[in-house]
Amino acid sequence: EAGVTQSPTHLIKTRGQQVTLRCSPISGHTSVYWYQQALGLGLQFLFWYDEGEERNRGNFPPRFSGRQFPNYSSELNVNALELEDSALYLCASSSDRIPGNTLYFGEGSWLTVV
Amino acid sequence: AQTVTQSQPEMSVQEAETVTLSCTYDTSENNYYLFWYKQPPSRQMILVIRQEAYKQQNATENRFSVNFQKAAKSFSLKISDSQLGDTAMYFCAFMKPSNAGGTSYGKLTFGQGTILTVHP
Repeated sequence: EAGVTQSPTHLIKTRGQQVTLRCSPISGHTSVYWYQQALGLGLQFLFWYDEGEERNRGNFPPRFSGRQFPNYSSELNVNALELEDSALYLCASSSDRIPGNTLYFGEGSWLTVV
Repeated sequence: AQTVTQSQPEMSVQEAETVTLSCTYDTSENNYYLFWYKQPPSRQMILVIRQEAYKQQNATENRFSVNFQKAAKSFSLKISDSQLGDTAMYFCAFMKPSNAGGTSYGKLTFGQGTILTVHP
């Protein structure tokens, strides 16, 4: 069974540009979560999508947005990139059929903003 | 809001020895889940162990076990017979029900992590 897949794995963007990160959940999982892991800041919750709807959102500015498609895959969009957006962006998937909605993570997308 | 605290930024242990990582959390919920995740240098988050708050029995997964003290809101991870491959950042995490019925769960809240180094 394939795990959570994320793309791209690494990318470099210039300040002010826009970026889209993609995530495919484990087959059968309907929930997708996005986390930002910046150096020294731990894991910060960005979004939780379930069945195509945003269920919860972390404390991030509106230039961070996301969506979930009918096939449960998801995109994270960041507009007007700033240097402090440089981080590892982790996607995780889950299902309410899993005890405690345990999250299973992908390998992440490394974003560097220069 | 729930908070998770890992008071040990770094730990080290000799191969084959036992090490315990500490975690405390703050919540008013009675029903929740606790997790330990491992993040090796590859940076992928890997589930180590899961504990349901309504279960008194401590969870165990091979060399990994927890000491869950609900009243004290403590959730420590014990790694026995440490191996070089256990070297990683370890995160304690908390998930609470997202609805009043306690049947749906929301976001995972992480501690700041403990860097564990296993020495040969």
